[in-house]
Amino acid sequence: AQKITQTQPGMFVQEKEAVTLDCTYDTSDPSYGLFWYKQPSSGEMIFLIYQGSYDQQNATEGRYSLNFQKARKSANLVISASQLGDSAMYFCAMREGQGAAGNKLTFGGGTRVLVKP
Amino acid sequence: DVKVTQSSRYLVKRTGEKVFLECVQDMDHENMFWYRQDPGLGLRLIYFSYDVKMKEKGDIPEGYSVSREKKERFSLILESASTNQTSMYLCASRLAGLNTGELFFGEGSRLTVL
Repeated sequence: AQKITQTQPGMFVQEKEAVTLDCTYDTSDPSYGLFWYKQPSSGEMIFLIYQGSYDQQNATEGRYSLNFQKARKSANLVISASQLGDSAMYFCAMREGQGAAGNKLTFGGGTRVLVKP
Repeated sequence: DVKVTQSSRYLVKRTGEKVFLECVQDMDHENMFWYRQDPGLGLRLIYFSYDVKMKEKGDIPEGYSVSREKKERFSLILESASTNQTSMYLCASRLAGLNTGELFFGEGSRLTVL
């Protein structure tokens, strides 16, 4: 079974509008963390935001916010006021557990976002 | 700034050749990782290492091996390259013991096996 599922392979968004990227995860571990990364066409992987399973509040970083719904096992990324530079591939990832076994991140298949002017 | 450097951006090899992909990080991170990235499949973990000489299989270790003789260096080895190993390979490192610690990635190595 997929541990991280991103159901939107690609999407268009109008500049200055908000966009929500879906991410659902599967784990039975009570301790986990969720990450979002951006990969522009240049290929570099850019860390955007992190949410821990025990965090009480949804994470925010500038124009990025994470809509964390624990009971539904979803961790959607919201990008507000989209800019042309937001056009990229976006990956959701999860870290499970503690210690050495908890150090690896499992990634979803990604969502390609294209911002239209 | 953390810097993760992969030795080759582009490689072209022939089926059956032995391939070495080198990765070096300069921030004293304990954890290092090798992923491969394929369209529609995202990033899949091949191997990771949580300390010198320590390694753990990821989700797709078949056909690969790794070496970590020094803390800063993590090598991915394809003993006998095959065409289905044509892919983008990404190395990453991370500080251990920090739940919020993100992965820092290299620029990637695009391998083509003919």
